[in-house]
Amino acid sequence: ELKVEQNPLFLSMQEGKNYTIYCNYSTTSDRLYWYRQDPGKSLESLFVLLSNGAVKQEGRLMASLDTKARLSTLHITAAVHDLSATYFCAVDLRDSNYQLIWGAGTKLIIKP
Amino acid sequence: DGGITQSPKYLFRKEGQNVTLSCEQNLNHDAMYWYRQDPGQGLRLIYYSQIVNDFQKGDIAEGYSVSREKKESFPLTVTSAQKNPTAFYLCASSIGPGSEAFFGQGTRLTVV
Repeated sequence: ELKVEQNPLFLSMQEGKNYTIYCNYSTTSDRLYWYRQDPGKSLESLFVLLSNGAVKQEGRLMASLDTKARLSTLHITAAVHDLSATYFCAVDLRDSNYQLIWGAGTKLIIKP
Repeated sequence: DGGITQSPKYLFRKEGQNVTLSCEQNLNHDAMYWYRQDPGQGLRLIYYSQIVNDFQKGDIAEGYSVSREKKESFPLTVTSAQKNPTAFYLCASSIGPGSEAFFGQGTRLTVV
């Protein structure tokens, strides 16, 4: 079965703390993407991860990919309120007819 | 500026009516997609097209129809057969299947 699982699905945290969101997928993948969605808005691309060991960083967010473990992480460092959003991972799984398979999303609330 | 334009932003449909949501892109992308998002949920694929004059059903195509007569345009019709159409509809495009997807601003459809 082609499946992408994110956890946690909901995360409430204090400003200044660190945390990690996980994205596991079920079969071999060549490409993985992270997106952000603000309430009532569309999706914005954050990171594109194309190879094993890839690491990308933008501000307080860092994404990594381990294709052998079929796992990507999105790490938040010293969280600030502006990072409150829902974060989705999407994976280009082989045998999916090249369609992106989406995780359910992680709703992140960062309290001042 | 290159991008994806969805219209209208808000749409109200009466029971038994067909409505068409517009999606236009000037990114010269071959692939285009329609997703449905219900409140607090992830994305579900309705239809996708990898090339002009060709499209494929996604996971929830029943009650929807599409056309792809031009590379730039991928309109979605929500037919009266769709019994619960109230949702947020997102159009996306990518260079090719499985590549990074870029999203329009979405259309919020409400049945009145």
